[in-house]
Amino acid sequence: TQLLEQSPQFLSIQEGENLTVYCNSSSVFSSLQWYRQEPGEGPVLLVTVVTGGEVKKLKRLTFQFGDARKDSSLHITAAQPGDTGLYLCAGVDEKLTFGTGTRLTIIP
Amino acid sequence: DTGVSQDPRHKITKRGQNVTFRCDPISEHNRLYWYRQTLGQGPEFLTYFQNEAQLEKSRLLSDRFSAERPKGSFSTLEIQRTEQGDSAMYLCASSHRTYNEQFFGPGTRLTVL
Repeated sequence: TQLLEQSPQFLSIQEGENLTVYCNSSSVFSSLQWYRQEPGEGPVLLVTVVTGGEVKKLKRLTFQFGDARKDSSLHITAAQPGDTGLYLCAGVDEKLTFGTGTRLTIIP
Repeated sequence: DTGVSQDPRHKITKRGQNVTFRCDPISEHNRLYWYRQTLGQGPEFLTYFQNEAQLEKSRLLSDRFSAERPKGSFSTLEIQRTEQGDSAMYLCASSHRTYNEQFFGPGTRLTVL
Protein backbone atom coordinates (compact mmCIF):
# COMPACT_ATOMS: atom_id res chain seq x y z
CA THR A 1 0.00 0.00 0.00
CA GLN A 2 1.43 3.36 -1.09
CA LEU A 3 1.39 5.91 1.72
CA LEU A 4 2.40 8.84 -0.48
CA GLU A 5 0.07 10.15 -3.15
CA GLN A 6 1.38 12.38 -5.92
CA SER A 7 -0.58 14.62 -8.22
CA PRO A 8 -0.95 14.98 -11.04
CA GLN A 9 -0.11 11.50 -12.27
CA PHE A 10 0.70 12.81 -15.75
CA LEU A 11 1.61 16.32 -16.87
CA SER A 12 2.45 17.51 -20.36
CA ILE A 13 3.29 21.18 -20.89
CA GLN A 14 5.05 23.44 -23.35
CA GLU A 15 8.68 24.48 -22.92
CA GLY A 16 8.93 27.70 -20.92
CA GLU A 17 5.82 27.13 -18.79
CA ASN A 18 5.82 26.71 -15.02
CA LEU A 19 4.46 23.68 -13.16
CA THR A 20 3.90 22.32 -9.68
CA VAL A 21 3.83 18.70 -8.56
CA TYR A 22 2.40 17.67 -5.20
CA CYS A 23 3.16 14.89 -2.75
CA ASN A 24 0.88 14.08 0.19
CA SER A 25 1.73 11.55 2.85
CA SER A 26 -0.51 9.77 5.33
CA SER A 27 2.46 9.42 7.66
CA VAL A 28 5.26 11.59 9.00
CA PHE A 29 8.73 10.42 8.03
CA SER A 30 12.09 11.54 9.39
CA SER A 31 12.64 13.36 6.09
CA LEU A 32 11.28 13.47 2.55
CA GLN A 33 13.21 13.22 -0.68
CA TRP A 34 12.48 14.00 -4.32
CA TYR A 35 13.93 11.89 -7.12
CA ARG A 36 13.88 12.04 -10.92
CA GLN A 37 13.95 8.86 -12.95
CA GLU A 38 14.58 8.57 -16.67
CA PRO A 39 13.59 5.56 -18.78
CA GLY A 40 15.85 2.56 -18.25
CA GLU A 41 17.61 4.12 -15.29
CA GLY A 42 17.30 4.15 -11.52
CA PRO A 43 15.98 7.18 -9.61
CA VAL A 44 18.44 10.01 -8.93
CA LEU A 45 18.16 12.10 -5.78
CA LEU A 46 17.29 15.78 -6.30
CA VAL A 47 16.81 17.05 -2.74
CA THR A 48 16.15 16.10 0.87
CA VAL A 49 13.83 18.18 3.06
CA VAL A 50 13.77 17.69 6.80
CA THR A 51 12.21 20.64 8.62
CA GLY A 52 8.55 21.66 8.44
CA GLY A 53 8.18 24.82 6.34
CA GLU A 54 11.54 24.29 4.68
CA VAL A 55 12.11 25.66 1.18
CA LYS A 56 15.04 24.53 -0.97
CA LYS A 57 15.99 25.78 -4.40
CA LEU A 58 17.98 23.90 -7.01
CA LYS A 59 18.38 26.19 -10.02
CA ARG A 60 14.89 26.32 -11.58
CA LEU A 61 13.44 23.79 -9.10
CA THR A 62 11.89 24.89 -5.80
CA PHE A 63 10.96 22.33 -3.16
CA GLN A 64 8.67 23.07 -0.22
CA PHE A 65 7.96 20.95 2.84
CA GLY A 66 4.67 21.53 4.65
CA ASP A 67 4.59 22.70 8.25
CA ALA A 68 3.17 19.36 9.39
CA ARG A 69 5.89 17.52 7.42
CA LYS A 70 3.28 15.43 5.58
CA ASP A 71 3.02 17.29 2.29
CA SER A 72 5.55 18.63 -0.16
CA SER A 73 5.63 20.32 -3.53
CA LEU A 74 8.06 20.66 -6.40
CA HIS A 75 7.79 23.78 -8.57
CA ILE A 76 9.67 24.05 -11.85
CA THR A 77 10.09 27.46 -13.46
CA ALA A 78 10.51 27.83 -17.22
CA ALA A 79 10.42 24.10 -17.91
CA GLN A 80 12.88 22.70 -20.44
CA PRO A 81 12.78 19.44 -22.45
CA GLY A 82 15.58 18.12 -20.24
CA ASP A 83 13.18 18.23 -17.29
CA THR A 84 11.17 15.39 -18.84
CA GLY A 85 11.04 12.33 -16.61
CA LEU A 86 9.30 10.55 -13.75
CA TYR A 87 9.36 12.59 -10.54
CA LEU A 88 9.08 10.63 -7.32
CA CYS A 89 8.77 11.74 -3.74
CA ALA A 90 9.90 9.34 -1.02
CA GLY A 91 9.49 9.19 2.72
CA VAL A 92 12.71 8.30 4.50
CA ASP A 93 13.17 6.06 7.49
CA GLU A 94 15.37 2.94 7.41
CA LYS A 95 14.14 2.48 3.83
CA LEU A 96 12.44 4.62 1.20
CA THR A 97 8.68 4.63 0.74
CA PHE A 98 8.03 6.06 -2.69
CA GLY A 99 5.05 7.99 -3.94
CA THR A 100 2.95 7.08 -6.93
CA GLY A 101 5.01 9.28 -9.26
CA THR A 102 4.34 12.12 -11.69
CA ARG A 103 5.32 11.57 -15.29
CA LEU A 104 6.32 14.94 -16.74
CA THR A 105 6.72 15.64 -20.45
CA ILE A 106 8.02 18.98 -21.68
CA ILE A 107 7.13 19.68 -25.30
CA PRO A 108 9.72 21.72 -27.24
CA ASP B 1 34.06 2.87 -8.88
CA THR B 2 31.41 4.40 -11.09
CA GLY B 3 28.28 3.53 -9.15
CA VAL B 4 25.88 0.69 -8.46
CA SER B 5 25.82 -1.96 -11.16
CA GLN B 6 23.22 -4.63 -11.83
CA ASP B 7 23.33 -7.71 -13.97
CA PRO B 8 21.61 -8.64 -16.18
CA ARG B 9 19.89 -5.49 -17.44
CA HIS B 10 17.12 -7.50 -19.03
CA LYS B 11 15.82 -11.01 -18.40
CA ILE B 12 13.05 -12.83 -20.23
CA THR B 13 11.96 -16.12 -18.73
CA LYS B 14 9.10 -18.56 -18.88
CA ARG B 15 6.65 -18.96 -16.05
CA GLY B 16 7.89 -21.48 -13.52
CA GLN B 17 11.60 -20.91 -14.13
CA ASN B 18 14.01 -19.62 -11.52
CA VAL B 19 15.96 -16.39 -12.06
CA THR B 20 18.82 -14.73 -10.17
CA PHE B 21 19.90 -11.11 -10.32
CA ARG B 22 23.13 -9.60 -9.07
CA CYS B 23 23.85 -6.18 -7.60
CA ASP B 24 27.28 -4.69 -6.99
CA PRO B 25 27.05 -1.66 -4.68
CA ILE B 26 29.39 1.28 -4.35
CA SER B 27 32.40 -0.21 -2.62
CA GLU B 28 32.40 1.76 0.63
CA HIS B 29 28.64 1.47 1.16
CA ASN B 30 27.57 -0.92 3.90
CA ARG B 31 23.83 -0.80 3.20
CA LEU B 32 22.21 -2.45 0.19
CA TYR B 33 18.54 -2.28 -0.77
CA TRP B 34 16.28 -4.08 -3.23
CA TYR B 35 13.14 -2.46 -4.66
CA ARG B 36 10.60 -3.56 -7.26
CA GLN B 37 8.99 -1.15 -9.69
CA THR B 38 6.04 -2.03 -11.91
CA LEU B 39 5.06 0.05 -14.92
CA GLY B 40 3.73 3.45 -14.01
CA GLN B 41 4.34 3.07 -10.28
CA GLY B 42 6.96 4.18 -7.82
CA PRO B 43 9.46 1.61 -6.54
CA GLU B 44 8.37 -0.61 -3.64
CA PHE B 45 10.77 -1.74 -0.94
CA LEU B 46 11.61 -5.45 -0.82
CA THR B 47 14.51 -5.89 1.59
CA TYR B 48 17.76 -4.40 2.82
CA PHE B 49 21.11 -5.46 4.24
CA GLN B 50 23.60 -3.84 6.51
CA ASN B 51 26.86 -5.54 5.69
CA GLU B 52 25.89 -9.24 5.41
CA ALA B 53 22.90 -9.05 7.77
CA GLN B 54 19.42 -8.89 6.26
CA LEU B 55 17.68 -6.39 8.55
CA GLU B 56 14.21 -6.04 7.08
CA LYS B 57 12.00 -7.85 4.59
CA SER B 58 8.76 -6.53 3.13
CA ARG B 59 5.68 -8.70 3.16
CA LEU B 60 5.90 -8.29 -0.63
CA LEU B 61 8.84 -10.67 -0.44
CA SER B 62 7.04 -14.01 -0.66
CA ASP B 63 8.74 -17.29 0.12
CA ARG B 64 9.59 -17.61 -3.59
CA PHE B 65 11.99 -14.68 -3.19
CA SER B 66 15.33 -14.89 -1.44
CA ALA B 67 18.11 -12.36 -1.17
CA GLU B 68 21.66 -12.81 0.04
CA ARG B 69 24.71 -10.69 0.65
CA PRO B 70 27.18 -13.33 1.77
CA LYS B 71 30.33 -11.25 2.25
CA GLY B 72 28.77 -7.86 2.74
CA SER B 73 29.67 -6.80 -0.78
CA PHE B 74 27.55 -7.87 -3.77
CA SER B 75 24.03 -9.19 -3.36
CA THR B 76 21.84 -11.63 -5.25
CA LEU B 77 18.06 -11.74 -5.52
CA GLU B 78 16.57 -15.07 -6.57
CA ILE B 79 12.99 -15.65 -7.63
CA GLN B 80 11.86 -19.27 -7.74
CA ARG B 81 8.96 -20.56 -9.81
CA THR B 82 8.41 -17.20 -11.49
CA GLU B 83 4.90 -15.97 -12.15
CA GLN B 84 3.67 -13.41 -14.66
CA GLY B 85 3.01 -11.03 -11.77
CA ASP B 86 6.73 -10.99 -11.04
CA SER B 87 7.32 -9.01 -14.23
CA ALA B 88 8.80 -5.71 -13.10
CA MET B 89 11.97 -3.65 -12.86
CA TYR B 90 14.12 -4.80 -9.94
CA LEU B 91 16.21 -1.95 -8.57
CA CYS B 92 19.18 -2.15 -6.26
CA ALA B 93 20.50 0.78 -4.22
CA SER B 94 23.33 1.28 -1.77
CA SER B 95 24.13 3.81 0.90
CA HIS B 96 26.50 4.52 3.74
CA ARG B 97 24.94 3.75 7.10
CA THR B 98 25.29 7.30 8.38
CA TYR B 99 23.82 9.06 5.35
CA ASN B 100 20.30 9.20 3.96
CA GLU B 101 21.19 9.21 0.29
CA GLN B 102 20.67 5.97 -1.60
CA PHE B 103 22.36 5.54 -4.97
CA PHE B 104 20.41 3.41 -7.40
CA GLY B 105 21.60 1.05 -10.09
CA PRO B 106 20.03 0.95 -13.56
CA GLY B 107 17.79 -1.98 -12.65
CA THR B 108 17.06 -5.41 -14.07
CA ARG B 109 13.90 -5.59 -16.14
CA LEU B 110 12.25 -9.00 -15.75
CA THR B 111 9.62 -10.24 -18.17
CA VAL B 112 7.86 -13.50 -17.33
CA LEU B 113 6.06 -15.05 -20.29
